[in-house]
Amino acid sequence: GQQVMQIPQYQHVQEGEDFTTYCNSSTTLSNIQWYKQRPGGHPVFLIQLVKSGEVKKQKRLTFQFGEAKKNSSLHITATQTTDVGTYFCAGRYSSARQLTFGSGTQLTVLP
Amino acid sequence: DTAVSQTPKYLVTQMGNDKSIKCEQNLGHDTMYWYKQDSKKFLKIMFSYNNKELIINETVPNRFSPKSPDKAHLNLHINSLELGDSAVYFCASSLYRTSGPYQETQYFGPGTRLLVL
Repeated sequence: GQQVMQIPQYQHVQEGEDFTTYCNSSTTLSNIQWYKQRPGGHPVFLIQLVKSGEVKKQKRLTFQFGEAKKNSSLHITATQTTDVGTYFCAGRYSSARQLTFGSGTQLTVLP
Repeated sequence: DTAVSQTPKYLVTQMGNDKSIKCEQNLGHDTMYWYKQDSKKFLKIMFSYNNKELIINETVPNRFSPKSPDKAHLNLHINSLELGDSAVYFCASSLYRTSGPYQETQYFGPGTRLLVL
């Protein structure tokens, strides 16, 4: 079936370092969403990317959608302890009603 | 004024028991979902209802039975609970659009932490 692969599964960084998580699909996506789940919390929508090559920024977070609409990345500049959590990408295929979630990247930020 | 609420928040029960989890959303959405999140944080969709109609039914044991009495509610009943059912179950909702800028943001409930002993 259609899968969205996400790496890395875990990432530990020192506060102030940058962080990137990557998602990849073998087939073209209609769009991709990103969610953040704080420890003990629930996934919260961050952003949606729709267009080929799209780049969106939210303060220190930069989201990219690949030209072929098969991959995406989330980059956090100068991480803070408030960035701790699990980041999920969630892709939508044109033939599907549901989102296909990546396996998530658990980010730990060491003070 | 919680957008998506679930009850109970925690559920500890013995193997073999039957239990239900309830979900309600007050966002006016027409689509609701159940997800299972395991200990490795992997989110797996189980079911989805649109306007009370089952539209997604992933490979889930038939011990799990969803019910949607109306658009705002989606319940999950689990029969003969097994150890492997221990997980966090999230309800989510969204508004399905067939045209225009496509954004079907999913709003998640706080989760129900199920522990089967």
